[in-house]
Amino acid sequence: EAQVTQNPRYLITVTGKKLTVTCSQNMNHEYMSWYRQDPGLGLRQIYYSMNVEVTDKGDVPEGYKVSRKEKRNFPLILESPSPNQTSLYFCASSLYFRQGANYGYTFGSGTRLTVV
Amino acid sequence: GQQLNQSPQSMFIQEGEDVSMNCTSSSIFNTWLWYKQDPGEGPVLLIALYKAGELTSNGRLTAQFGITRKDSFLNISASIPSDVGIYFCAGQSGDRGSTLGRLYFGRGTQLTVWP
Repeated sequence: EAQVTQNPRYLITVTGKKLTVTCSQNMNHEYMSWYRQDPGLGLRQIYYSMNVEVTDKGDVPEGYKVSRKEKRNFPLILESPSPNQTSLYFCASSLYFRQGANYGYTFGSGTRLTVV
Repeated sequence: GQQLNQSPQSMFIQEGEDVSMNCTSSSIFNTWLWYKQDPGEGPVLLIALYKAGELTSNGRLTAQFGITRKDSFLNISASIPSDVGIYFCAGQSGDRGSTLGRLYFGRGTQLTVWP
């Protein structure tokens, strides 16, 4: 089944303890991205990647790191999580974006992170 | 980053009614997308629009790309209970390479449908 898989679905951690949220897609998509969703704020883009070793900052990159060493994987790393990073996180991927032809992003099911 | 203003923030309607929502931006976009999010799930793409003035339908859903390229509209006709969810507009302004992956989202419209 074609999908974006992120793990874990739920995570509670303590301030300052490094964590990684994994994301994998099996559709050979070029683009991958991370978003966070907070009540009343919609979806805000954290980072996105056009291909292996190519990553760019989105709206809210502070406090996050990403890497794209393989086409299928795009982990999100929080080196020193803080309570304001408590949120619902979505990984997404897209076959391609072109002028006039756009698959948009296909989203995973989300990771609910709580930092205490 | 660019701001997308989506309205209304929430809607409470009766089954069978039509729904309209819109999204505006201070900047020009090349592509407008509309997504729906069901509870506990990630957003799912409903409609994609590529040209100013374009009108596209997907079943009971119709979306339009505004002439100014700074707005878009989504209409749902004859709503049913399964239309409940959060609807998001999204816009893309990049025109090449990695900038194409930059996709901005509105804050969402929460739709509730009463039977």
